[in-house]
Amino acid sequence: GAVVSQHPSWVICKSGTSVKIECRSLDFQATTMFWYRQFPKQSLMLMATSNEGSKATYEQGVEKDKFLINHASLTLSTLTVTSAHPEDSSFYICSASYSAIGDYEQYFGPGTRLTVT
Amino acid sequence: AQSVTQLGSHVSVSEGALVLLRCNYSSSVPPYLFWYVQYPNQGLQLLLKYTTGATLVKGINGFEAEFKKSETSFHLTKPSAHMSDAAEYFCAVSDFGNEKLTFGTGTRLTIIP
Repeated sequence: GAVVSQHPSWVICKSGTSVKIECRSLDFQATTMFWYRQFPKQSLMLMATSNEGSKATYEQGVEKDKFLINHASLTLSTLTVTSAHPEDSSFYICSASYSAIGDYEQYFGPGTRLTVT
Repeated sequence: AQSVTQLGSHVSVSEGALVLLRCNYSSSVPPYLFWYVQYPNQGLQLLLKYTTGATLVKGINGFEAEFKKSETSFHLTKPSAHMSDAAEYFCAVSDFGNEKLTFGTGTRLTIIP
C-alpha cells in the first residue's frame, strides 16, 4: 500500500515554456503533499508543502510565481514550472502523507527529471 | 532549526562485510528519525523509522538502526553487505507533530565484490 506516482517520469522542454508535473497518491488520501528538488548527487531540498484545498506553503528562497503548486484533491497535487530556464533543470520528487492516524511517514514518488534546453 | 549530519559522503565496503552509515542530528527534544534509500533515477524508499518505543529499530532488507539520545545519533547498520545494497542513503529527521522532513546530505554506498 501507500503508493505515490508521478507523471511524467521525464520531460524535456524549451526555455520559456511551462511544464506541469503531477503527483498522485494511488491507494490513500493524502492530507499533505510535499515537493522536493534534488540536484545531481545532492540531497533533497524541500520546496513547498501543500494541503488539499489550501494554498501551498513555500520554503524560503523558493519563487512562488515560478513554481506553482495546486493541491486540488486528496489524491492529486501538481507542480507547474513556469517560464522554465536551464537552471530549473533538476530532479523533482513529490511525497504524500496522511497524518490523521499520527503516522508522519512520507511516501515518495519515483521522481520527474526535467531538462530545459 | 533541525539539522542532520551524515558523516562520509562515500562509503565502500566489501560484499559480506558490515555496513555502518552514520547519522547525527541536532534537536533539543527527541525527534522522529528516518533512513531512506534511493536507487539511481528513482524516488526514496523508507528503510526504517524511529518514533517512540524501542530504540533499536529493524527495517527492510536486513538493515537496522539504533537511536542513542545521549549521542544524538541514529546510525544505520547491516551485518553483511550485498551487492544490491549499493545506493544512496539519506538520514532524515522531523519534529514531533511536524511532518516536515530535514534530510542529511546523503551517503553513497559502494559494495566491492
